[in-house]
Amino acid sequence: DAGITQSPRHKVTETGTPVTLRCHQTENHRYMYWYRQDPGHGLRLIHYSYGVKDTDKGEVSDGYSVSRSKTEDFLLTLESATSSQTSVYFCAITPGPTHSPLHFGNGTRLTVT
Amino acid sequence: DAKTTQPPSMDCAEGRAANLPCNHSTISGNEYVYWYRQIHSQGPQYIIHGLKNNETNEMASLIITEDRKSSTLILPHATLRDTAVYYCIVRVGGGGSNYKLTFGKGTLLTVNP
Repeated sequence: DAGITQSPRHKVTETGTPVTLRCHQTENHRYMYWYRQDPGHGLRLIHYSYGVKDTDKGEVSDGYSVSRSKTEDFLLTLESATSSQTSVYFCAITPGPTHSPLHFGNGTRLTVT
Repeated sequence: DAKTTQPPSMDCAEGRAANLPCNHSTISGNEYVYWYRQIHSQGPQYIIHGLKNNETNEMASLIITEDRKSSTLILPHATLRDTAVYYCIVRVGGGGSNYKLTFGKGTLLTVNP
């Protein structure tokens, strides 16, 4: 399995509170991604990173921010959590811009009450 | 990215080969076929991918028709742990920028004892 660790694995938080999810990789891959998975919507890309301090928005980036200060860590922050952000969040990595596949972490289940 | 069509469910006896079909009749010449699977509450797991030649790795084989309009994922000796939802995805290239990964409904493979 790819060396990807997501933390925490489960979190319950209240509406309006900030939340940070962490993705840590040991593969030294350049590209990192945050997805959310919801019933009926499949996987949707939130933000991605193509290098240290290089990030960009995906298709559902509103309400989320990211940071990547080191190759191995990619942080996803919900500045003020809302109930619509209740979801399972997956981090993924890939080494390069070729046809290399994505490798996913085991996810963080976030519940916003 | 080209759209894919998969049967919603399939059954397979333990120890037998599981053959999972996928139609991708609108595939473009530079699009790869990727297979992932997802076991309940885990992250998607990469299985195999290919462009036009058949591919084999330690997990599975991928057979792509000559016209590339369909493919079959073969698990040679299915085990109970192979019970999962299998996703066939067609896209251009791998990592890089906006890695939008469209998982359809996939095929629920149930391996029976």
